[in-house]
Amino acid sequence: DTAVSQTPKYLVTQMGNDKSIKCEQNLGHDTMYWYKQDSKKFLKIMFSYNNKELIINETVPNRFSPKSPDKAHLNLHINSLELGDSAVYFCASSQDLVPGNTIYFGEGSWLTVV
Amino acid sequence: AQSVTQLDSQVPVFEEAPVELRCNYSSSVSVYLFWYVQYPNQGLQLLLKYLSGSTLVKGINGFEAEFNKSQTSFHLRKPSVHISDTAEYFCAVSGGNDYKLSFGAGTTVTVRA
Repeated sequence: DTAVSQTPKYLVTQMGNDKSIKCEQNLGHDTMYWYKQDSKKFLKIMFSYNNKELIINETVPNRFSPKSPDKAHLNLHINSLELGDSAVYFCASSQDLVPGNTIYFGEGSWLTVV
Repeated sequence: AQSVTQLDSQVPVFEEAPVELRCNYSSSVSVYLFWYVQYPNQGLQLLLKYLSGSTLVKGINGFEAEFNKSQTSFHLRKPSVHISDTAEYFCAVSGGNDYKLSFGAGTTVTVRA
């Protein structure tokens, strides 16, 4: 069973479109995240949610809107896509907000904006 | 806030040779240190982590790392690599009241026959 699963894995879309990436974890974790990996492979946190509540928003443009319908799901919606949004987006989860917890990552969603 | 610096961006190595990937951290509080591996076109997988206790940490796939507080380092080692170890390796840190991971820039390991 996949612990953290996200769909789609690959997404090619035109500038200006709106797209969503879905994420689900079956680990029973309270905390979920979205990370962005740029073309130089640098990983940066975008958002974190704990029990469906937003905890961190790392100065991400308003065009990015996460939604957590329940603590097992954290979806990412992106409006008005720009070329610079092309990246790999990783969903992740951890047991809770205790420092030192292992963070489990999904397989990634490769977004290409053309 | 915590941060990590991975000192090598690329490490080419021959099969069955040893490899060491260097990671230094910066923090004013106690830290938790992690090494993750990313195989091509895949997500990140935890190799090992240091929370406390023994400074030598053993992980999966024959990897180990040593926490050195005086040198603020957490270097990753493997005594004999395989072709399948070709991947991107990330050092990461959390600590104090900060639960989120801050990642280094990554080290690309390429194993050649």
